[in-house]
Amino acid sequence: GQQVMQIPQYQHVQEGEDFTTYCNSSTTLSNIQWYKQRPGGHPVFLIQLVKSGEVKKQKRLTFQFGEAKKNSSLHITATQTTDVGTYFCAPLERNSGGSNYKLTFGKGTLLTVNP
Amino acid sequence: DSGVTQTPKHLITATGQRVTLRCSPRSGDLSVYWYQQSLDQGLQFLIQYYNGEERAKGNILERFSAQQFPDLHSELNLSSLELGDSALYFCASSVSGVITDTQYFGPGTRLTVL
Repeated sequence: GQQVMQIPQYQHVQEGEDFTTYCNSSTTLSNIQWYKQRPGGHPVFLIQLVKSGEVKKQKRLTFQFGEAKKNSSLHITATQTTDVGTYFCAPLERNSGGSNYKLTFGKGTLLTVNP
Repeated sequence: DSGVTQTPKHLITATGQRVTLRCSPRSGDLSVYWYQQSLDQGLQFLIQYYNGEERAKGNILERFSAQQFPDLHSELNLSSLELGDSALYFCASSVSGVITDTQYFGPGTRLTVL
């Protein structure tokens, strides 16, 4: 299956600083989703990117899909303590032996914010 | 609150035992997905059901099985439990069987195998 690397694994910032997490693949991705999981919580869907070079914004969050569709990033401007959690990228991967697809979650980036 | 419910919230059992985890999808959702989350493996897709039928299979062990019932709730059965099966098990649901649909995750069941 495809190899997806998410970096950094951990990031600690001061409140108000920016934050970026990157998701890199060795193969071309058809589609990628991003999720956030608060400590002790469950993953919550944030966004889906499909088109090459796509950029989507949700308030202080900016999501990008690379031109070659091999990487994606999530950028948070002026972090707040409510941004604390683990951010996962989840590219679609073809299920081995069939025509079905599955979401393959990256290891995630744990963001902590110092108030 | 995603609308997906999972029971029980916590489960403590011994090696070799069998347990059943239950999931009720959001009202109107036809697909149910099961995931395992552990510290070393991260979030791993196990299996998907759509309207009672198995749709996709991921990294699910042979000791594990699942089913989706006519009322669309789903159960994940884990047997011959090993210490390494200790993990958080999430259920998610989506409207249709299309993988690009938004998945709504339940609160999870924390399984501890002693």
